[in-house]
Amino acid sequence: GNSVTQMEGPVTLSEEAFLTINCTYTATGYPSLFWYVQYPGEGLQLLLKATKADDKGSNKGFEATYRKETTSFHLEKGSVQVSDSAVYFCALWHSSASKIIFGSGTRLSIRP
Amino acid sequence: NAGVTQTPKFQVLKTGQSMTLQCAQDMNHNSMYWYRQDPGMGLRLIYYSASEGTTDKGEVPNGYNVSRLNKREFSLRLESAAPSQTSVYFCASSEFEGRNNQPQHFGDGTRLSIL
Repeated sequence: GNSVTQMEGPVTLSEEAFLTINCTYTATGYPSLFWYVQYPGEGLQLLLKATKADDKGSNKGFEATYRKETTSFHLEKGSVQVSDSAVYFCALWHSSASKIIFGSGTRLSIRP
Repeated sequence: NAGVTQTPKFQVLKTGQSMTLQCAQDMNHNSMYWYRQDPGMGLRLIYYSASEGTTDKGEVPNGYNVSRLNKREFSLRLESAAPSQTSVYFCASSEFEGRNNQPQHFGDGTRLSIL
């Protein structure tokens, strides 16, 4: 079946550090891939998405590239800020289903 | 544009009480979803409605019922609340158009405590 695996947190970094949060998926064909962010006390918000292999999604300095060969969609940011502290969810959508499958989430904390 | 609106935002119940969580979206989306979020467990799908008039079970449907009242509204009911249902509940909606699924839009959540 379809599934998403992302690195366990919490991840703690200093401000301006480089961020990578790993995400791999299992699915047949070509699912759409997403990263969502959840700030404290709020619902999830779409951060970026990619719908086909080699697509790069980007938003607010974050990037993720859809890698079919490694079934991965790792989230990266070159220089994190305290305001990036949140929980990040990797997710996939497959056309055979009517629902998105979420990873378990990775909590990110940025120290000033 | 309100997006997805959930009510109430907070609720405390006693074991055995019943309650309905309300969700409404104003984006004319066909699909709506209810999730629960527990510490360390990410999001788990309770029920979803792919289109008006249909509902389907998700991963953790036991103890819940849903009603897709119309295209805008999708409610979640706890008939006899149990402490294990203490959680944060999120409603979401999306539009599905073949492979080009639009991402889900989430409400701000309902924090429910069962004593």
